[in-house]
Amino acid sequence: AQSVSQHNHHVILSEAASLELGCNYSYGGTVNLFWYVQYPGQHLQLLLKYFSGDPLVKGIKGFEAEFIKSKFSFNLRKPSVQWSDTAEYFCAASSGNTPLVFGKGTRLSVIA
Amino acid sequence: DAGITQSPRHKVTETGTPVTLRCHQTENHRYMYWYRQDPGHGLRLIHYSYGVKDTDKGEVSDGYSVSRSKTEDFLLTLESATSSQTSVYFCAISEQGRNQPQHFGDGTRLSIL
Repeated sequence: AQSVSQHNHHVILSEAASLELGCNYSYGGTVNLFWYVQYPGQHLQLLLKYFSGDPLVKGIKGFEAEFIKSKFSFNLRKPSVQWSDTAEYFCAASSGNTPLVFGKGTRLSVIA
Repeated sequence: DAGITQSPRHKVTETGTPVTLRCHQTENHRYMYWYRQDPGHGLRLIHYSYGVKDTDKGEVSDGYSVSRSKTEDFLLTLESATSSQTSVYFCAISEQGRNQPQHFGDGTRLSIL
């Protein structure tokens, strides 16, 4: 079965630190990739998406992600996190015409 | 934000009772989805719909049924609720395909005692 793995369950960073959250998928062939964010008590919001083209994707709020096909990875990055980035982050993937499959999420805590 | 309304937002009920959750959208999107979110499991797809009266099962469909009689409404029913179905349920919609970005509702917190 197709799957999405997020290796970090909980990440704690100080403000201004750089962020990288890992995401690996098990699909072969063409894949659509997504990162979503869920702030405490809120619904999921789309941060960025990759369908094709430039493997470095820029999203909202200063986030970016890099698609590395050879590694089946789509890691999320931000150069300098803020307290307001405290949230849970979900990677998702879809191949062909299948619905999205979500990873289990990574909780990010940013401390002052 | 996409026009998605879930009702109720919170519900507490007892084991064995039927429960129906409603998702209403004002975007006229073709695709609608029901997920459950549980700690340590992320989001798991229960059922989805690709049109009026067209539905398909997701990863965790056992114990759940759905109906879509109008484009704007997608109902999730627990015929006989069990404590293992205590969860937060999210509805989502997408316009162009099941592999496209989804917009999520605010969720329904369901507790089954």
